[in-house]
Amino acid sequence: NAGVTQTPKFQVLKTGQSMTLQCAQDMNHEYMSWYRQDPGMGLRLIHYSVGAGITDQGEVPNGYNVSRSTTEDFPLRLLSAAPSQTSVYFCASSYLGGDSPLHFGNGTRLTVT
Amino acid sequence: QQQVKQSPQSLIVQKGGISIINCAYENTAFDYFPWYQQFPGKGPALLIAIRPDVSEKKEGRFTISFNKSAKQFSLHIMDSQPGDSATYFCAASRGSNSGYALNFGKGTSLLVTP
Repeated sequence: NAGVTQTPKFQVLKTGQSMTLQCAQDMNHEYMSWYRQDPGMGLRLIHYSVGAGITDQGEVPNGYNVSRSTTEDFPLRLLSAAPSQTSVYFCASSYLGGDSPLHFGNGTRLTVT
Repeated sequence: QQQVKQSPQSLIVQKGGISIINCAYENTAFDYFPWYQQFPGKGPALLIAIRPDVSEKKEGRFTISFNKSAKQFSLHIMDSQPGDSATYFCAASRGSNSGYALNFGKGTSLLVTP
């Protein structure tokens, strides 16, 4: 039972480069989301999705794109990387409704130079 | 605007001691208050959660105390162990999607010394 799988674990980019952070879950969760974690800032929601074909912005969406073509996958795209996007990125998923908890992946540590 | 304020930012406790982390919120519509635990190199995971119809919930050495009138809730870790060293996040949410539509605090880094 893999849960939420994020790839890659580590990535170094140069300013202006683009890349996609991958997230896949095998729990048939309707809800998927991306957070970034920065020291002293906690977890901040970037984008989320409540089902295939449906996405919405969170607290800090600028500079990031998402799409949800399948229930299982929710990739996060950095369009033109900036040093301010240096962070640890977490994907999380959950069933819709009730007290179903968020299940987090183990994160992608991104450094933009 | 931070909807959930968490303190302290860091905490050092000796083995066997009690660790206490506090959170406060403003939105009286919040009705679900979970705590997440995160070990280094891992994602956060649900530790324990409470709803405002009870003032306290205990699971093993972990207890949530909830004060509705003060709009505060706290996590107590009794008999703290080095294996409890982690970052703890409180959160709050409301409504039918309370499990995932969370407003997180900024986290508390707990170190339990031997």
